[in-house]
Amino acid sequence: EIVMTQSPATLSVSPGERATLSCRGSQGLSTNLAWYQQKPGQAPRLLIHGASNRATGIPARFSGSGSGTEFTLTISSLQSEDFAIYYCQQYIERPPTFGGGTKVEIK
Amino acid sequence: QVQLVQSGAEVKKPGSSMKVSCKASGGTLSSYPISWVRQAPGQRLEWMGRIVPIVGLANYAQKFQGRVTITADTSTNTAYMELSSLNSEDTATYYCATLKGDYESGSYFFDNWGQGTRVTVSS
Repeated sequence: EIVMTQSPATLSVSPGERATLSCRGSQGLSTNLAWYQQKPGQAPRLLIHGASNRATGIPARFSGSGSGTEFTLTISSLQSEDFAIYYCQQYIERPPTFGGGTKVEIK
Repeated sequence: QVQLVQSGAEVKKPGSSMKVSCKASGGTLSSYPISWVRQAPGQRLEWMGRIVPIVGLANYAQKFQGRVTITADTSTNTAYMELSSLNSEDTATYYCATLKGDYESGSYFFDNWGQGTRVTVSS
């Protein structure tokens, strides 16, 4: 199965600053990559699919880029509600697999 | 958008079975292929399997083959995930989620999630 690796494990950012999260696949994914946000005690929420397409209702400060094996999630100006764990997921082949997550914390 | 409401937390003994439900409201379950994903404490999300309710066709992750059964009752708009021969490593939060994409090929992501069901396996 495809292994997804996220970095860094923890990212300390001040409110208003930009956050850049990375996700790498063990093999080429084209753009079959999704990003999710998870807050404590809550289910994951879909942010991005197709590597760069925002899901319904997701603010424009969230953007995704990349193709192949390297992907990036950028949060342009962190708001208080954005501090959470972010996961990437590949869906080019079964089984769908997730990365280990990046925790975005307040600096 | 359909809402998924899961059954409540459970505590199970090692060797026993669990069955978690996922009820859809605001939409018809038969319109939504459903997956089950679990998250053990401190671990990454893990796909367990999926079902296409309208045909009752299920597909499972190799890791859980023989231990997991996913079913759907379209008359009650409810999907179920049953996991047998529980051990401590099955302690996790279990989520149902609708999927978008090609369920035949396995090329899909999860666009709508239930609130999760916490299951603790302990003697």
